[in-house]
Amino acid sequence: GIQVEQSPPDLILQEGANSTLRCNFSDSVNNLQWFHQNPWGQLINLFYIPSGTKQNGRLSATTVATERYSLLYISSSQTTDSGVYFCAVEAAYNTDKLIFGTGTRLQVFP
Amino acid sequence: DAGVIQSPRHEVTEMGQEVTLRCKPISGHNSLFWYRQTMMRGLELLIYFNNNVPIDDSGMPEDRFSAKMPNASFSTLKIQPSEPRDSAVYFCASSFPSQKSSGNTIYFGEGSWLTVV
Repeated sequence: GIQVEQSPPDLILQEGANSTLRCNFSDSVNNLQWFHQNPWGQLINLFYIPSGTKQNGRLSATTVATERYSLLYISSSQTTDSGVYFCAVEAAYNTDKLIFGTGTRLQVFP
Repeated sequence: DAGVIQSPRHEVTEMGQEVTLRCKPISGHNSLFWYRQTMMRGLELLIYFNNNVPIDDSGMPEDRFSAKMPNASFSTLKIQPSEPRDSAVYFCASSFPSQKSSGNTIYFGEGSWLTVV
């Protein structure tokens, strides 16, 4: 099946810093989403971005489908950004089946 | 909308007991997913339904696990008998075919935290 790898696995930042999280996937995809899991375990959908670029406040994401990667940018990080960020994809040959990457654990300190 | 509703939120049970986790998807959503999250294996898709029909159960770990969706507003995940290695957070999620700009956006419940002792 499709493989989804995220990097870095862990990231520690001071408040105000910027960061880039990467998601590589091994096959063509119909769907790519970024999620944030907060320290209480809640999973929140951030972006649906199978291609192109989107922005939402301090967060933005870019997916280059032809090169099979996506980037999540966090600018001016805040302590509330802490948690785990997951990339999830639906392979083009197996729609509706959303496969998650291993995640990037982000800790933002004041 | 109230979102995806799962129950129980927390359960502690003894090995060998039957465990039933419940999920109410968002009204109007036609796909429902059960995921399991552990430290070792991350988020794994166990099974998903489309229009109440199981489409792919290849992620169900073994015969002790079963899932049903008797109608569009309710699903259960059952473990019988339970074992300590089943301890995990079990998430239910639902989605619907949406506008192209937002795709099949998936929404997660808050999870059922299961501990088998």
